[in-house]
Amino acid sequence: EVQLVESGGGLVKPGGSLRLSCAGSGFTFSNAWMSWVRQAPGKGLEWVGRIKSKTDGGTTDYTAPVKGRFTISRDDSKNTLYLQMNSLKTEDTAVYYCTTEQTDSSGWRGYLQPWGQGTLVTVSS
Amino acid sequence: DIQMTQSPSTLSASVGDRVTITCRASQSISSWLAWYQQKPGKAPKLLIYKASSLESGVPSRFSGSGSGTEFTLTISSLQPDDFATYYCQQYNSYRAFGQGTKVEIK
Repeated sequence: EVQLVESGGGLVKPGGSLRLSCAGSGFTFSNAWMSWVRQAPGKGLEWVGRIKSKTDGGTTDYTAPVKGRFTISRDDSKNTLYLQMNSLKTEDTAVYYCTTEQTDSSGWRGYLQPWGQGTLVTVSS
Repeated sequence: DIQMTQSPSTLSASVGDRVTITCRASQSISSWLAWYQQKPGKAPKLLIYKASSLESGVPSRFSGSGSGTEFTLTISSLQPDDFATYYCQQYNSYRAFGQGTKVEIK
């Protein structure tokens, strides 16, 4: 069974840092493109960013509000995805989900399945 | 960046109703669109990908259509388990979600 389990959430003060982890199992993690998606309390889904597989370059992309503050990385030897969050703001308060990017029969990648259960990050003084 | 706009934001319906949700992209995304269902406190669940392909295990009352900039998600006969919030997501260029449509009991 494919499973994603996030950890590392918690309460942090504005300006602080936090690192989230996402452990994957049941699939070949090293081949997967991985995304982080967040959801502020009572709000909609917001794509945060993604990392490609190392064979596809291992590059990262981010949404504008987190660019320069958040860094996505991966350790394929541990089947683990990371989200390093620095200079945190109150508006970063959200549940953070990790998810894998799937490829359809035409070879185009980007729909998201499965998802982890999420981890809550609260930025407050 | 591509912006996604869903309508309506909230929809009140009864069991058995046919329900349609619209998603518009700010520029053409071909057929690179997915639909998700989310219930309170739960992670989103994939329903449809590539605009009209039904994910395995998803009931056939769900269907998707459209291409370019306009897309629809249709539930042919609303069931009690379908009261939830639905999101569209484009994956033509980076990724972006619509703001969501909450389907509530009338």
